[in-house]
Amino acid sequence: AQSVAQPEDQVNVAEGNPLTVKCTYSVSGNPYLFWYVQYPNRGLQFLLKYITGDNLVKGSYGFEAEFNKSQTSFHLKKPSALVSDSALYFCAVRPNQAGTALIFGKGTTLSVSS
Amino acid sequence: DAGVIQSPRHEVTEMGQEVTLRCKPISGHNSLFWYRQTMMRGLELLIYFNNNVPIDDSGMPEDRFSAKMPNASFSTLKIQPSEPRDSAVYFCASSLEGGQPQHFGDGTRLSIL
Repeated sequence: AQSVAQPEDQVNVAEGNPLTVKCTYSVSGNPYLFWYVQYPNRGLQFLLKYITGDNLVKGSYGFEAEFNKSQTSFHLKKPSALVSDSALYFCAVRPNQAGTALIFGKGTTLSVSS
Repeated sequence: DAGVIQSPRHEVTEMGQEVTLRCKPISGHNSLFWYRQTMMRGLELLIYFNNNVPIDDSGMPEDRFSAKMPNASFSTLKIQPSEPRDSAVYFCASSLEGGQPQHFGDGTRLSIL
C-alpha cells in the first residue's frame, strides 16, 4: 500500500537553531511531493512542492525541503527557526497518475522555544 | 483573491439531526476534496471530485455520509443522521489538476451532542 511516514510526532528546537522535520514515502513511480503547515483553528497552508529538477526546493517563510530519491525522503528544513514557526506540519505525496489524491502523513508538531 | 470558503465555521447540534456542510472552491479549480480531522485519526480523505464528478468516495465512513457537487462552484457534505462520533473538523480543499497544490478552507468544527 502507498503511504507517507512522518516518524516524529513532535520536534522541539530552540529559536535560531536549524530545524528538520522528516518525511519518507512509499509510492511507486515519480510522485509529486508537498509540505503543508497548519496553525491552530486554520486550514492547511501550502509551503512547497517538488515535482522534478533540483533536489533542494525552496518555499514560503524561509523553508526548504530536500528530495532524496534513493532514500525516498523529502525532509523539511529551515536554517534558523522562529517561535512563530511553531505549528503542525504535514508531508503529502501525490502519485503521478491521473485520478489520484494526496496521501498525507500523520503530521509533526514543531515547537520552537525562545 | 478569495480562497476556499466553508460554512458554517462552527456547528453544534444534537445526535440524530441532519447536518449540511458547504464549500465554495476557488474559481477555476477543477478538483475538490473533503477531509475530516480528529485527534485520534488525524487527517482523513472522505471523498474527492474532479470536474464535479465523484472520483473516489472510499473514505466516506458509512451511508450516513453523502456529498454532492451540483456545479463547479459549490459542494455539500451531508450527515444524516448525525452521531457523536462524527464530531470533528471538516475541511474542504480545491486544486487544479496535475501536480498543483491543494488550497484548504478554514474548516467547519462540528460538535454532535
